[in-house]
Amino acid sequence: AQKVTQAQTEISVVEKEDVTLDCVYETRDTTYYLFWYKQPPSGELVFLIRRNSFDEQNEISGRYSWNFQKSTSSFNFTITASQVVDSAVYFCALSEWTTDSWGKFQFGAGTQVVVTP
Amino acid sequence: DVKVTQSSRYLVKRTGEKVFLECVQDMDHENMFWYRQDPGLGLRLIYFSYDVKMKEKGDIPEGYSVSREKKERFSLILESASTNQTSMYLCASSRTGGGGNTIYFGEGSWLTVV
Repeated sequence: AQKVTQAQTEISVVEKEDVTLDCVYETRDTTYYLFWYKQPPSGELVFLIRRNSFDEQNEISGRYSWNFQKSTSSFNFTITASQVVDSAVYFCALSEWTTDSWGKFQFGAGTQVVVTP
Repeated sequence: DVKVTQSSRYLVKRTGEKVFLECVQDMDHENMFWYRQDPGLGLRLIYFSYDVKMKEKGDIPEGYSVSREKKERFSLILESASTNQTSMYLCASSRTGGGGNTIYFGEGSWLTVV
């Protein structure tokens, strides 16, 4: 069963527009971690943020912000005033706290963000 | 900074060849992973290793094997490459634990099997 769903395959925006990427997850664990990664055209996945299930505070880092809502099992990501350098594939991931998980992640299918000048 | 280095960025191999993809990490991480990335399918786990000489199958292990003789090095082996193994391969590492540790990725290896 798909544990992480990123329903948006591709989002296209014009520079300076805001863009929100949706991530819905599924888990029975009470302790779990959520992540966002950015994959620019070069290929390397770059870690952006890690959030544990007990911390529902939203987070802002520069133009990036994250909205974690346990009630809807969502961990959405917003880029404010997008720039061309934000063009990338963004992945949401879930890591469950179980003794046999070995730190394995469940990744969503990714959302391609295209920012045009 | 964590550094995960994949030895080859771009490879072209012939069907039936044995292919080695090498990965080295410099952060003394216990866990290492090999993922495969295909359009529309996201990242799929092939194998992972939680210690030297230890390995576990991921979601799509068929046609692949791995080797971890040293803590810092994790190799992915395609015993007899096939065209359906044309893909991007990503190596990653993390500290040990029951979950929640950040996984750090290499730059990826683009493999084309002709």
